[in-house]
Amino acid sequence: EAGVTQFPSHSVIEKGQTVTLRCDPISGHDNLYWYRRVMGKEIKFLLHFVKESKQDESGMPNNRFLAERTGGTYSTLKVQPAELEDSGVYFCASSLTGASYEQYFGPGTRLTVT
Amino acid sequence: AQSVSQHNHHVILSEAASLELGCNYSYGGTVNLFWYVQYPGQHLQLLLKYFSGDPLVKGIKGFEAEFIKSKFSFNLRKPSVQWSDTAEYFCAVKLMNTGFQKLVFGTGTRLLVSP
Repeated sequence: EAGVTQFPSHSVIEKGQTVTLRCDPISGHDNLYWYRRVMGKEIKFLLHFVKESKQDESGMPNNRFLAERTGGTYSTLKVQPAELEDSGVYFCASSLTGASYEQYFGPGTRLTVT
Repeated sequence: AQSVSQHNHHVILSEAASLELGCNYSYGGTVNLFWYVQYPGQHLQLLLKYFSGDPLVKGIKGFEAEFIKSKFSFNLRKPSVQWSDTAEYFCAVKLMNTGFQKLVFGTGTRLLVSP
């Protein structure tokens, strides 16, 4: 069974540019999560999809971040325009539905904004 | 706001030494508790989890953790570490009965095991 995949693995962009990160969850997982880790800090929740609906987007930092999950399969996270403080590692996770199911994490996308 | 504290940011041990990594959380309600590990160059993977029942839980690779409700703690232990345990360890909490599924993570502990 394939795990959670993320693309790209690394991205270096200039301040003001746009970047789109992609996450493919494990097949059959209705729940998809985005997290971010800024260097030296904790991994922080960004948002949670159930199928194509946003269940919880309380962690989204501001309106420069837009997450979508059309069709309830893969998800994209767009940052537009990127700022220096957006640098970090963006993790995606997926899970089955139910309180007792764990979240499986992808390898992350390291975003560097210069 | 709810938070998770990991007391040690960096730990250096020799092989065969015992390990205990501290984790405390601030939330008075029901929680699910997790320890994740990230080996160099790999993705986060689950070491162990506590949902209910026996507060001493055993995970993969000889790790265990004990949930002490009165202390809001979920410390990770291993009696004898190996060089291959070099990794970053994250404690995480899911707040139950909130309608939300997000994990709240600690800042992580980098463990270096010298051979």
